[in-house]
Amino acid sequence: DTGVSQDPRHKITKRGQNVTFRCDPISEHNRLYWYRQTLGQGPEFLTYFQNEAQLEKSRLLSDRFSAERPKGSFSTLEIQRTEQGDSAMYLCASSLQGGNQPQHFGDGTRLSIL
Amino acid sequence: SQELEQSPQSLIVQEGKNLTINCTSSKTLYGLYWYKQKYGEGLIFLMMLQKGGEEKSHEKITAKLDEKKQQSSLHITASQPSHAGIYLCGAVNNAGNMLTFGGGTRLMVKP
Repeated sequence: DTGVSQDPRHKITKRGQNVTFRCDPISEHNRLYWYRQTLGQGPEFLTYFQNEAQLEKSRLLSDRFSAERPKGSFSTLEIQRTEQGDSAMYLCASSLQGGNQPQHFGDGTRLSIL
Repeated sequence: SQELEQSPQSLIVQEGKNLTINCTSSKTLYGLYWYKQKYGEGLIFLMMLQKGGEEKSHEKITAKLDEKKQQSSLHITASQPSHAGIYLCGAVNNAGNMLTFGGGTRLMVKP
């Protein structure tokens, strides 16, 4: 299967711990996106990369959040000093560059903060 | 910022019935995407609409974008239990690099 892959699928951690999620996009896609989805809501944009460059960051992305895509392939999203409000599904998507290319999503990482 | 409102928020239909989900934007749409999501899973791309008046179909699902490009509808004909899930509309910004989503419509199809 060559879809978007996210790891882990589930993460349970104590408040105050750091967590890191990984996303492997569809191989030929040079754009990679991170979204956050809370229960009963639509996904909210966090940030996106074109190749290795992080070109857009939402105001939702506090200084405790950092995302990287060092070689323009896989990406990591790290949350430091997790808080209860960070509990959510973190979704990764990828697309080709260009006008209105559809974003293809992974199955997400569900984060639960105890 | 752009906001998308979906209606209804939830829907229960009998198998075989038709249904329509609406998505209304606060601003002109540059591109409108429809996705389906099953609980706890990622989003599955259904269709993308770009031009005013455009209509696309995939199997028993038809999506339309109105002429003014501020409203879209998703119509399912002869619904089946496999159609159950959360339907999300998403609007791309003018730079084409981020999606703003509606709150979703939760569809249940009773056999």
